[in-house]
Amino acid sequence: DTGVSQNPRHKITKRGQNVTFRCDPISEHNRLYWYRQTLGQGPEFLTYFQNEAQLEKSRLLSDRFSAERPKGSFSTLEIQRTEQGDSAMYLCASSQGPGRRTEAFFGQGTRLTVV
Amino acid sequence: GQQVMQIPQYQHVQEGEDFTTYCNSSTTLSNIQWYKQRPGGHPVFLIQLVKSGEVKKQKRLTFQFGEAKKNSSLHITATQTTDVGTYFCAGAGTYKYIFGTGTRLKVLA
Repeated sequence: DTGVSQNPRHKITKRGQNVTFRCDPISEHNRLYWYRQTLGQGPEFLTYFQNEAQLEKSRLLSDRFSAERPKGSFSTLEIQRTEQGDSAMYLCASSQGPGRRTEAFFGQGTRLTVV
Repeated sequence: GQQVMQIPQYQHVQEGEDFTTYCNSSTTLSNIQWYKQRPGGHPVFLIQLVKSGEVKKQKRLTFQFGEAKKNSSLHITATQTTDVGTYFCAGAGTYKYIFGTGTRLKVLA
């Protein structure tokens, strides 16, 4: 499978716990994005990596969220001290750029439920 | 900040009817992409529009980018049950794409 892979697919955690999600992008893609999607809404941008550099982070993201992309390959998204409002689908996407065609390929997502 | 809105939010059509969703950005876009998300699935890329006034077709789907590069539309001719899903436009920002609110299409057989 050469698509974007995300793990785990589902995560249920108690409020206050820390969680970490992993994304393995398409191997030749240098750009990696994290989005969050709640029911009935469009994907909301969280952060962007170009290779290993985190070039943009949404102002909506609190200090409880952190993302890394060591060596410009896979990426992790950690949420500390989870809150019920963090419940959502967390989507990872990758693309190749720069270039004229920069479509993003999305993974299946990690559905987080905070109880 | 940049906002991308879509109308309508929902659309129910009889199979065979046409469908159109409209996308409007608060700022001029360098390009715009369209994605389709099936129920329970993830967004899947459909097309990218770059030029002012550009029109592209994919079988029964017609995509248009406005002259001012602030709006776009997706038109589906003679809908089929396989067209069910949510259609998102995504406007290009500096490093990211800002997704619209989406139009959920339901096709009644």
